[in-house]
Amino acid sequence: QQQVKQSPQSLIVQKGGISIINCAYENTAFDYFPWYQQFPGKGPALLIAIRPDVSEKKEGRFTISFNKSAKQFSLHIMDSQPGDSATYFCAASNVETSGSRLTFGEGTQLTVNP
Amino acid sequence: DAGITQSPRYKITETGRQVTLMCHQTWSHSYMFWYRQDLGHGLRLIYYSAAADITDKGEVPDGYVVSRSKTENFPLTLESATRSQTSVYFCATRGGNTIYFGEGSWLTVV
Repeated sequence: QQQVKQSPQSLIVQKGGISIINCAYENTAFDYFPWYQQFPGKGPALLIAIRPDVSEKKEGRFTISFNKSAKQFSLHIMDSQPGDSATYFCAASNVETSGSRLTFGEGTQLTVNP
Repeated sequence: DAGITQSPRYKITETGRQVTLMCHQTWSHSYMFWYRQDLGHGLRLIYYSAAADITDKGEVPDGYVVSRSKTENFPLTLESATRSQTSVYFCATRGGNTIYFGEGSWLTVV
C-alpha cells in the first residue's frame, strides 16, 4: 500500500524557473512532512520539513506548501539552479507512534538546464 | 567525523550466498534504520531498531535479518541472496526528528 504518492516522476526546468513537486498522503495520523534531496551516489539529506499546524514554510529558495484538508503538500523551488538537479523525495511520519519511521514517495528526478 | 559509515560500498554476489552489509554510527543515536532504494519505489523500510537489542520489521523485511548488540552498529544480513534483492541499501539514524542517511551500499545479485 503506497501511503505517499509523489508526482511528477521527472521534471525538467530552465535555470531561473520554478520547480514544483507534489505529494499526497492517505494516513491522517501523519504529523511530520519532510523533503529530502539526493545527489547521485549519495544518501538522501533533509532539505526542509513542515508540521501540519502551519500551511507554509520557507527556507531560502525552498518552500513547502501544506493543505491539510486535501492531504497534500508540495515543494516549490524558486529561481531553480543547475546545482538543484537531484532527486527529491517527500516523506511522512507520525513522530509519536512511529519513532520517525518515514514513509517515502517514489521520488522526482529534477533537471535544471543552464 | 563520518557520522554513518556503510560497508561495503559496492558488492557483487551470487544467488544463494549470504551477504552482510555493515553500518556504523558515531553519534550514539538510539534509532537506526535500513532502507532499500529501487527505481519506481522510492525508499522502503526493511528493518529498524529503537535501541540495542530492540529491532522490528519495516515494510519489506522478508529475506533479511538484523541484529543490534551495540548502539553504534546495525548490520543487515541477506541470508540467501536473490536477484530481487539487487538494490541500493541505505543505513540511517534518527537525531531529533531528522533522519540521517549513510552513503549507501550498492548490491548486485547475479
